[in-house]
Amino acid sequence: KQEVTQIPAALSVPEGENLVLNCSFTDSAIYNLQWFRQDPGKGLTSLLLIQSSQREQTSGRLNASLDKSSGRSTLYIAASQPGDSATYLCAVWPGFQKLVFGTGTRLLVSP
Amino acid sequence: DAGVTQSPTHLIKTRGQQVTLRCSPKSGHDTVSWYQQALGQGPQFIFQYYEEEERQRGNFPDRFSGHQFPNYSSELNVNALLLGDSALYLCASSPGLAGADTQYFGPGTRLTVL
Repeated sequence: KQEVTQIPAALSVPEGENLVLNCSFTDSAIYNLQWFRQDPGKGLTSLLLIQSSQREQTSGRLNASLDKSSGRSTLYIAASQPGDSATYLCAVWPGFQKLVFGTGTRLLVSP
Repeated sequence: DAGVTQSPTHLIKTRGQQVTLRCSPKSGHDTVSWYQQALGQGPQFIFQYYEEEERQRGNFPDRFSGHQFPNYSSELNVNALLLGDSALYLCASSPGLAGADTQYFGPGTRLTVL
């Protein structure tokens, strides 16, 4: 059974800091890995999708890496801003039908 | 182009009642998935519908059932509500059989069971 773990559960940083969110999964047989952002009480916004054959993806200040063999992914956020405050969820595709999510990292960026 | 829409936004029910949640997928998408997100947890997969049939199901009891209509919209039904069914219910859509592509999520329906 695929399990996804995210560390840390919560993170508080001052504006401008670079930060790394960690995600680990127990079964390396995945198709894709996806990072989402969720604002309080809201739905999910996709940030980055990494296909199994890829090592990383970049979008603006965000960079996500994937190491399938070790079952790990990281989300790097450069020059953090208060608007980045949200919960960040990592999810893997063990097959084509569903996503398996971690419990998220709650990020607070203070001005 | 409207994204994934869900209704209602919020819902309050009492134990034992039944509830129906609705989802309209993003234009051009024919696959709909439902997830349950309890407070402080990540979303859990309930089931997925394609061509009006349930394609895969997560570890949820038979009290959870669904339906997909010819226009690809979908309903999630929950019978005999329990306090533990209180959660944010998310609908996601994606195009065709590819599946393993970016899923687009709706804003969710917040269900509170008293």
